[in-house]
Amino acid sequence: GEDVEQSLFLSVREGDSSVINCTYTDSSSTYLYWYKQEPGAGLQLLTYIFSNMDMKQDQRLTVLLNKKDKHLSLRIADTQTGDSAIYFCAEISNSGYALNFGKGTSLLVTP
Amino acid sequence: DSGVTQTPKHLITATGQRVTLRCSPRSGDLSVYWYQQSLDQGLQFLIQYYNGEERAKGNILERFSAQQFPDLHSELNLSSLELGDSALYFCASSGQGSNIQYFGAGTRLSVL
Repeated sequence: GEDVEQSLFLSVREGDSSVINCTYTDSSSTYLYWYKQEPGAGLQLLTYIFSNMDMKQDQRLTVLLNKKDKHLSLRIADTQTGDSAIYFCAEISNSGYALNFGKGTSLLVTP
Repeated sequence: DSGVTQTPKHLITATGQRVTLRCSPRSGDLSVYWYQQSLDQGLQFLIQYYNGEERAKGNILERFSAQQFPDLHSELNLSSLELGDSALYFCASSGQGSNIQYFGAGTRLSVL
């Protein structure tokens, strides 16, 4: 299958901004998503962006979409220790139903 | 709380056995999706049901099967279990015409 690529690890200091990057494969993807998984927990939908948008802001979260480069990023402003988790980028698959996930970026926020 | 309920939270069983994982979607959601999360494969789509009918199939083994009942809850049946089936199994649901999937907390399966 096609791969959604993410860097595996990111470490930031509390109060700094975090930027998690993702490259996706399907140029026809209509929606792109960011999910968060805390240790031992399920997948929490953080935000999503429709492919006709370049940017979406939701409180501390900013999503940027560059369709030409098939690049998606998630910026977390004023990162807190509670933001430590694994962040997954996902796209809708060719079938239009399933989600194709990246391997996840593990974010560590240090005091 | 996503509104998607999965039971049990943990399941420990032996190789060769059969287990059933249960999922109740969010109220009103007609679509149910099953995903497997393992360390080596990451998150993989298994199968989707829509209003009782199978709609899409992913990397689901022949030893695995699923169904969606008239009350819209779904069950994932895993048989002839192998050590490699140990994983976290997620259920997600979405509303009619929606591309937004909400996930349950998962069932952690350990095959010993």
